[in-house]
Amino acid sequence: QVQLQESGPGLVKPSETLSLTCTVSGVSSRSNYWSWIRQTPGKGLEWIGYFSYGGGTDYNPSLMSRVTISGDTSKNQFSLRLTSVAAADTAVYYCATGDFRKFDNWGQGTLVTVSS
Amino acid sequence: EIVLTQSPGTLSLSPGERATLSCRASQSVSSTYLAWYQQKPGQAPRLLIYGASSRATGISDRFSGSGSGTDFTLTISRLEPEDFAVYYCQQYGSSPQYTFGQGTKLEIK
Repeated sequence: QVQLQESGPGLVKPSETLSLTCTVSGVSSRSNYWSWIRQTPGKGLEWIGYFSYGGGTDYNPSLMSRVTISGDTSKNQFSLRLTSVAAADTAVYYCATGDFRKFDNWGQGTLVTVSS
Repeated sequence: EIVLTQSPGTLSLSPGERATLSCRASQSVSSTYLAWYQQKPGQAPRLLIYGASSRATGISDRFSGSGSGTDFTLTISRLEPEDFAVYYCQQYGSSPQYTFGQGTKLEIK
């Protein structure tokens, strides 16, 4: 059974960098796309980007200039960095795994608030 | 960007009734790449349906998906109390690779 756990600061100051890590256990070879997704009351669910088990990445064009997703498959971890955050980046951030079509497994989510 | 529009925004039904939720895409979506999720308060979304009509592991056969092109439907045949939640459709395809609908809230009447 695949389990995911997000970790990282719950409060980030405006203009600073948001950093989160997702630890994956029980990973299946079929779940080889590791994504970050965020959710806000206003914009709903928004895909941020993924790290693929083969080492590739892809990002939502709307965030691409500020996002880096990296992974360490030996540790079954992948990370999100979002630079120059603003209040609009306040959201619940989820990590999720799956094949390229869908998100089979999700972490519980972590609320990140951008505020001074 | 493919925009997914879900309707209705809120659906009020009673346990035992049948629920029909709609997801309409702004451009044609391959059925292979259309999924549905259920989200309860304080929880992450849970995959219900993928490939427009295939149930995910452990999902009750009361849940079924159908559709093609730009119109997709999630049907819950006989509502149980635990089915009242928010439902999202999601597509994989054009940039950005993944988009979600805005959700349909299924509430107890």
